Order: sequence, then structure tokens, then C-alpha cells
Amino acid sequence: AQKITQTQPGMFVQEKEAVTLDCTYDTSDPSYGLFWYKQPSSGEMIFLIYQGSYDQQNATEGRYSLNFQKARKSANLVISASQLGDSAMYFCAMREIIQGAQKLVFGQGTRLTINP
Amino acid sequence: EAQVTQNPRYLITVTGKKLTVTCSQNMNHEYMSWYRQDPGLGLRQIYYSMNVEVTDKGDVPEGYKVSRKEKRNFPLILESPSPNQTSLYFCASSSNAGTSGSGNPYEQYFGPGTRLTVT
Repeated sequence: AQKITQTQPGMFVQEKEAVTLDCTYDTSDPSYGLFWYKQPSSGEMIFLIYQGSYDQQNATEGRYSLNFQKARKSANLVISASQLGDSAMYFCAMREIIQGAQKLVFGQGTRLTINP
Repeated sequence: EAQVTQNPRYLITVTGKKLTVTCSQNMNHEYMSWYRQDPGLGLRQIYYSMNVEVTDKGDVPEGYKVSRKEKRNFPLILESPSPNQTSLYFCASSSNAGTSGSGNPYEQYFGPGTRLTVT
């Protein structure tokens, strides 16, 4: 079973609009973490935001916020006031601790295109 | 500057010719790992290391070897590369994670990636 699911292979958004990228996850571990990474066309992985499973409040980092709905097992990324430079591939990932070892499991990614 | 470096960044090779992709980090991180990225599949873990001389298989270890003789270095070895190992490879490092699900991000720092083509 897929542990991290990103159901939107591609999204197209007008500049300055807000955008929500979907991510659902599956784990029975009560302690886990959720990450979002951005991968521009240059290829590097850029850390955006993190949410711990015990964190009471939704994480925010500048224009990025994470809409964490624990009961629904979703961790959607919200980008407010999108910019042309936001065009990139976005990955959701879950950190699990398995037998003391950290593991990051990634979703398939969503390619976001911001139109001027 | 805290960073993870990988070399080479680009490599085109032929089937069966042994190669090594180097990875080095300057943050004194205990944990290091290798991922491969393929279209539609996201990133998948190949191998990881919890500390010096401690390595273990990830989800897709077949055809790869690793070693961790020093804390800063974690090379990926392809003894006999095949075309299905054509991919984008990332090395990553972090502090060893605790079991807490809150607080600090336990961020993994990624290298710039190595694009490998095996013909």
C-alpha cells in the first residue's frame, strides 16, 4: 500500500492565486513527521516545511503553510500568493522510525506550473 | 556553510563498468542515506547508514553497495551498472532522529543530485 499519496500529477495556477497541493499518508506509528520539498528544474531538493505528528498547530513558513488534518491523514501544502518562481515539482514525504532507523518515504510528486 | 556534496554531478557510462558516486557532508551528521528518483515514482531509498560502519538496505538496494568508513563520507557503488539504474541519485544526511513527533524538523539535507545514464 502506498504510504504517501499525491493525487495531483500536475497543477496549473494563475500567478498571485493561492494553491493547495494534496498529500495523504498512511501509518500506524503515533510518532511521525511530514515534510514538503520543492524541486525546481535545476534538480536540487529544497526543504519547505515540516509538521510533527504531535504538533498542535499547523506549521507555517512564510508563504507556505501545512494544513494538517490528523484524523483524515492529510498534510496538504498551501502556498499563498503564488509567484512564477514557485513553478517546480513538489514532494510530500513522511518520516518514520523503523527499528530505531529514520526513513523518509516520498510521494510521487506534483508538478506545479504558475502562469503569468 | 553546511552542505552535502556529491560527485560527479553527471555521468554517462556503459553497462558493466563499475562506478562510485561520492557523498560527503560537513555537519557531523550520524545519519546518511541514498535515494534514487524516477519519474512517477518519487524518491526511493536505496541504502542508509545510522553511523560509521552501520549500514542497512532501503527499499531498492539491488545492484548497489555502500560503505561508511568515516562519518562524513557515504559512497554509493555500482559494481556492474545496468540501464535500469539510469536515474537521478540523491545523497542526504541528518542527525539521528529521536522518537519525538514534535519540535525540531529532523530535516534531511540533500546533496545536489547525480544524474546517471547507463547505456
